[in-house]
Amino acid sequence: AAGVIQSPRHLIKEKRETATLKCYPIPRHDTVYWYQQGPGQDPQFLISFYEKMQSDKGSIPDRFSAQQFSDYHSELNMSSLELGDSALYFCASSSQTGELFFGEGSRLTVL
Amino acid sequence: GEDVEQSLFLSVREGDSSVINCTYTDSSSTYLYWYKQEPGAGLQLLTYIFSNMDMKQDQRLTVLLNKKDKHLSLRIADTQTGDSAIYFCAESMNNAGNMLTFGGGTRLMVKP
Repeated sequence: AAGVIQSPRHLIKEKRETATLKCYPIPRHDTVYWYQQGPGQDPQFLISFYEKMQSDKGSIPDRFSAQQFSDYHSELNMSSLELGDSALYFCASSSQTGELFFGEGSRLTVL
Repeated sequence: GEDVEQSLFLSVREGDSSVINCTYTDSSSTYLYWYKQEPGAGLQLLTYIFSNMDMKQDQRLTVLLNKKDKHLSLRIADTQTGDSAIYFCAESMNNAGNMLTFGGGTRLMVKP
């Protein structure tokens, strides 16, 4: 069965650079979520989209933005990167049943 | 997370049962989840339980929910070395049950 696809799997950037992460949800899932998991930490909710509109917002920094496109894929844009942004970024998708399926994550390293 | 708490570490012998505990604070939680994360890997949904249920069993996994005490547990029967991972408890933050607050995770080590 198709799962949530995230790209890239690994990304290395320098401070003050910009990074974009992509997420392709499971087919027919209309809701996408972004989570950030720092080293040794639990995942923290960043933001979610339902039918291309932002539905909920968590602890997402102002330097980050995200959107969901007409094909339901989502992109997380991170600017002015800081060392503390180094983390595993998970995307999850769900349908109306509410069960979340997570992708494998994108590991961002900021040097 | 502060609203969901788990013990940090659990060590068991292969073949024994493992019980991982979780407490949460939000009484309005609709769904409660257990996720497994292996080193460097993503979050794998193991099971979830609706807040109006007391117990759910799925093969080797048994979830018990005590709503009064806001206590959730995951029991793994006949624990195998492949079960070694970090287990996250999560509660939903909205009525749809799909915006999650995670616990800090419990690292399960299974000794042969």
